[in-house]
Amino acid sequence: GAGVSQSPRYKVTKRGQDVALRCDPISGHVSLYWYRQALGQGPEFLTYFNYEAQQDKSGLPNDRFSAERPEGSISTLTIQRTEQRDSAMYRCATGGLDTEAFFGQGTRLTVV
Amino acid sequence: QKEVEQNSGPLSVPEGAIASLNCTYSDRVSQSFFWYRQYSGKSPELIMSIYSNGDKEDGRFTAQLNKASQYVSLLIRDSQPSDSATYLCAVKKDSSYKLIFGSGTRLLVRP
Repeated sequence: GAGVSQSPRYKVTKRGQDVALRCDPISGHVSLYWYRQALGQGPEFLTYFNYEAQQDKSGLPNDRFSAERPEGSISTLTIQRTEQRDSAMYRCATGGLDTEAFFGQGTRLTVV
Repeated sequence: QKEVEQNSGPLSVPEGAIASLNCTYSDRVSQSFFWYRQYSGKSPELIMSIYSNGDKEDGRFTAQLNKASQYVSLLIRDSQPSDSATYLCAVKKDSSYKLIFGSGTRLLVRP
């Protein structure tokens, strides 16, 4: 596809369930970022991949959050045992090593 | 101290005026700087990137970078109501480092 694709667009899950959010990058983009964005705030960094290597995961809030990018392309952000405080917009952005990053449309996660 | 700081606004300017948006960053070795525009309920979209000191112009937009002062700004000339949005500043140290965003400045352009 032409742009960064995230799925699902909306996810409602019950507290305690696991969720997996997917990011399909622009072809050839080696850098991939996951962010979380609350209303009225800037994107909050979660984790960053260069190709398949997770370069930085310092923004992951706790060990319930994990991410992978096994073949250096599609990435999955997994949240285990979801809590209501995990409800947010989760955004993926991809780009070249030292160039601009482009955002997908995001996944709105609601934990009920 | 936050890594990237922006005034939250709102910054209100009349239509046709110049809007000046400012951003400071804490890490002196930062190399790449970006401005994104985000309309309410939408994803951030890239407006400008700047990598060296000085000015970079693209249409009505000018990005200004001063690495000595750790300061980057965005000027919007002939502001239009359609420019009303939140503007996000983002900074990257190098290729192996994360892209960090400020909290954004909300711009309102009054007709």
